[in-house]
Amino acid sequence: EPEVTQTPSHQVTQMGQEVILRCVPISNHLYFYWYRQILGQKVEFLVSFYNNEISEKSEIFDDQFSVERPDGSNFTLKIRSTKLEDSAMYFCASKERFSYEQYFGPGTRLTVT
Amino acid sequence: AQKITQTQPGMFVQEKEAVTLDCTYDTSDQSYGLFWYKQPSSGEMIFLIYQGSYDEQNATEGRYSLNFQKARKSANLVISASQLGDSAMYFCAMRVPDNRLAFGKGNQVVVIP
Repeated sequence: EPEVTQTPSHQVTQMGQEVILRCVPISNHLYFYWYRQILGQKVEFLVSFYNNEISEKSEIFDDQFSVERPDGSNFTLKIRSTKLEDSAMYFCASKERFSYEQYFGPGTRLTVT
Repeated sequence: AQKITQTQPGMFVQEKEAVTLDCTYDTSDQSYGLFWYKQPSSGEMIFLIYQGSYDEQNATEGRYSLNFQKARKSANLVISASQLGDSAMYFCAMRVPDNRLAFGKGNQVVVIP
């Protein structure tokens, strides 16, 4: 069964460093999302992406964040200068055009020290 | 703004018994959808079930069923015949008009033998 994959599974970085989180959505899906979950808290929407551009973004998704679909299969989330409060699990999700179901990847745990 | 409320404390349920997880929501939209996701201790988000606001029948998927009461704005998840592998955090989520998901805070379920 096709699935969303994410790499790395765990990333440790120092405050102020740039990180890139990678996702490979399910191949026939057209809508892509990033969510994050701070430890012990609920899942929060960051950004949605369709047709090579951002559809919606939340207040969390400030100028330090960017997304890209560089090659038609990968979908990346970049954080330019990480802060301690960026430590969280980051989930990528994708969905088909005519379906509402969003399928989540296994997540990348980002730890900023 | 859309809001999802899950207020139950952690629940213990005997193996093979049924458990109901409460979810209430608030929205002014006429078209919306409700999801339940399971998050085991390993951290991934597993899609369980979906109910559209215009669906007249309650959704069912195997041992999972969604008790949708539109007038009361509730979308409770019922897990029948609990198994040890059902021990996890369960999140209710609402699809908002731009297709992002708004999550509740989750319900912790522990199945005991």
